[in-house]
Formats: sequence, C-alpha cells, structure tokens
Amino acid sequence: ETGVTQSPTHLIKTRGQQVTLRCSSQSGHNTVSWYQQALGQGPQFIFQYYREEENGRGNFPPRFSGLQFPNYSSELNVNALELDDSALYLCASSSGGTLNTEAFFGQGTRLTVV
Amino acid sequence: QKEVEQNSGPLSVPEGAIASLNCTYSDRGSQSFFWYRQYSGKSPELIMFIYSNGDKEDGRFTAQLNKASQYVSLLIRDSQPSDSATYLCAVLTGNQFYFGTGTSLTVIP
Repeated sequence: ETGVTQSPTHLIKTRGQQVTLRCSSQSGHNTVSWYQQALGQGPQFIFQYYREEENGRGNFPPRFSGLQFPNYSSELNVNALELDDSALYLCASSSGGTLNTEAFFGQGTRLTVV
Repeated sequence: QKEVEQNSGPLSVPEGAIASLNCTYSDRGSQSFFWYRQYSGKSPELIMFIYSNGDKEDGRFTAQLNKASQYVSLLIRDSQPSDSATYLCAVLTGNQFYFGTGTSLTVIP
C-alpha cells in the first residue's frame, strides 16, 4: 500500500467526450506525475506537477492537461477523447520536485474509450 | 531508437536460481535508473534505484549500472514463484522519465 489513491478505478467514455481523473498523493509528497500505460507497453510520461506548477511534460498533445491543488492532489483532464486514449492511467507521487527520487504509484484508472 | 530498451522475454528460471534482467538506454545524459515490478493488472511498485556506476544491493536484489556501456541490470537471487511479474526499467533523462516495455519473468516451482 503506497498511500497514493486514484479515482475512479474504471471508466468508460465515448469518443469525443472529456474525462477527469484524480489522484491523492502520499502524505509528505509535493510532486505528482501522470503516466499512460497501454496494454503490453511500459508507462509513458505525460507530465509532472510540483507545488501546483507543471515542471515537466512528455510527448502528449495539449488536450491532455492537468492541475495540482494546494494539498498536492492532482487531476488529469483529457479532452476530445480518442479510441487510442484507452489505457491504464497511473499517477505517482514523490518529494523534492524532481523525478530523481523514489516515486510511488497509485493503483491506476482503467479508461476505456468506445 | 527507443529511449529505453528491454528484452520483452518471457524469461523463465527455476525456483532458487538467479534471474538476470537487462536494460539499455540511449541518452548518455541520463542520470537516474529505476527498477519497478508490475504484477498483471496492478500498478508498478518500486524495487530499487541506482545513480552511480557499480552495484547496489538490497536483500535478494542487486542493481548494476554501467554508464559507459549505457546498461542497467537487475539480478534477483534465490528467485521465488512470487517474483513472477513484469519488470520495468525506468530512466530519468533531464526532467522526463522513460520506461521500457518490461520483461516478463516466470519463476518455475
């Protein structure tokens, strides 16, 4: 049990819709990063938030956006959903503002786009 | 060329044997290296990380890093059936974190 919680655990959306995924970081951690993991693939880095600011972004289009709140919890928003967005979405929390520390993952949100 | 490459396996070893998992990375500027274990349908869990050349041991696990060869490995001694999982190598390069596709390990009782 890492102390990182994500909601919801499963979600089905229709192509073109918008979705919001949520993550509560582990106590004492101020950094949250988001990943997309397609079936049979490794996680792909979407972006990272440190003290409410985005401070790193992977190769994802602008329709993937995020937010971090003063309590360091975070949201991932995806607009104009596409079928290829179907994946396991993982958030990881860490401390220190960089990824150069241990990052602990939540259980993930399984998103299916139909 | 992918940032992080792993042999997808599957790798099978008998119980009690040493399992050796390998990973190569493309960017010489990469600064930190991580091994995660992922059971089917679950999220990755951190096994260990390494920053400096050489070996780092933690219980039955040893991570090895060779920056000149851009190579990271994970050795699992006395492998147990509960070690059967997918092992993900992750590399920190700049401010981005890259994962390999993972190596599937099966430990045969």
